Amino acid sequence: QERLQESGPRLVNPSETLSLNCGVSGYPISSSHFWGWIRQPPGKGLEWIATISQNGATHDNPSLKSRVTMSVDTTTHQFSLSLKSVTAADTAVYYCARPVCIAGRCFFDLWGQGILVTVSS
Amino acid sequence: YELTQPPSVSIFPGQTARITCSADGLPMENAFWYQQKPGQAPVLIIFKDNERPSGIPERFSGAGSGTTVTLTITGAEAEDEADYYCQSGDASGSFYVFGSGTKLTV
Repeated sequence: QERLQESGPRLVNPSETLSLNCGVSGYPISSSHFWGWIRQPPGKGLEWIATISQNGATHDNPSLKSRVTMSVDTTTHQFSLSLKSVTAADTAVYYCARPVCIAGRCFFDLWGQGILVTVSS
Repeated sequence: YELTQPPSVSIFPGQTARITCSADGLPMENAFWYQQKPGQAPVLIIFKDNERPSGIPERFSGAGSGTTVTLTITGAEAEDEADYYCQSGDASGSFYVFGSGTKLTV
């Protein structure tokens, strides 16, 4: 069964870097053209963070002002997210997801269960 | 680029729910829909025009016209009570945007 699982620290200090991993199981990580991250602040809507393609190119939400880095590790079947210089506004449930593009239409067909990350000292 | 949805929609069981998603007056060439129940991750329910992933009931359908797309739940059931989000993006997978979300009460 295809599954994504987020992992990482659940509490991050302000101004530091938030780092999360997403473990991929039941599906070859190199078979997907893209991998991505989405977040949801408590009580609010979904926000796309970033997507990484097979060639390593990363595309991120302009609202995050280039604070995002993503990478894929095919040996450990994981991909990761780093968000630097965090503030309380970055407190959210972070989801990893698999984007799929069909005939120029791209959507997320597989999601992790999500991990709540709180930014606080 | 923003996608606007009504904050809430309320219906009785068996009725038809329609949730709209509008793209600030710009044509929406593609749109997808997700269902999110409390404490759970979103689930894709409509993709690629009006197709449903395996396991999604036929009562869910999608349609689009110009600048607005609509999710229709025909004969809604109590289990359909959830938040619903539309999503769009560019054709190359380098940009995605979600709608503001609609809370459906059945």
